[in-house]
Amino acid sequence: KNQVEQSPQSLIILEGKNCTLQCNYTVSPFSNLRWYKQDTGRGPVSLTIMTFSENTKSNGRYTATLDADTKQSSLHITASQLSDSASYICVVSYDSGAGSYQLTFGKGTKLSVIP
Amino acid sequence: DTEVTQTPKHLVMGMTNKKSLKCEQHMGHRAMYWYKQKAKKPPELMFVYSYEKLSINESVPSRFSPECPNSSLLNLHLHALQPEDSALYLCASSRGLAGGPTNEQFFGPGTRLTVL
Repeated sequence: KNQVEQSPQSLIILEGKNCTLQCNYTVSPFSNLRWYKQDTGRGPVSLTIMTFSENTKSNGRYTATLDADTKQSSLHITASQLSDSASYICVVSYDSGAGSYQLTFGKGTKLSVIP
Repeated sequence: DTEVTQTPKHLVMGMTNKKSLKCEQHMGHRAMYWYKQKAKKPPELMFVYSYEKLSINESVPSRFSPECPNSSLLNLHLHALQPEDSALYLCASSRGLAGGPTNEQFFGPGTRLTVL
């Protein structure tokens, strides 16, 4: 069964600190992995998309890594800001055949950055 | 313009009401989606339109009726909803069908629906 597991479920950090969020998946055949940031009551906003051949991708203070062998991804946030408080969702895409793809969503990690 | 807009932002309706949610994008995307998201849960796919034709219906009850009048607009008609249908309804669009390596999904801000 295709699954995406994220950890931790929630995280509280002090402003200015770094943190790392984890995503493990069993989706196959893998196409790509996306990280989204979702503020409460708002739509998700894409942070990164990584394909099989990409190990690292950065977007400002956000850096995502992908290990396709172990089927693990991480999202590292550097020098956190209060505005980073949100849910971070890992989404894995798999090739369902004939040029079609399906998306499997993780349950998200709720990050709270406190002063 | 890289924005997906949704109206209204908030909607409160009774179980006998008929209402519609609207979604619009002007990025030339040919795939549009409706998702339902309950609190503290990930979005759940409801419908997918590709080139203005319904391509995926994830066994959604008939009290939800999607419509795609043109390539820029997507509606979700609501009728005889239940309180458990209260949720954040998200619209998204992508250049082609989402999931492909280059087909990033852009989400709208959502409509917060409350059914009394």
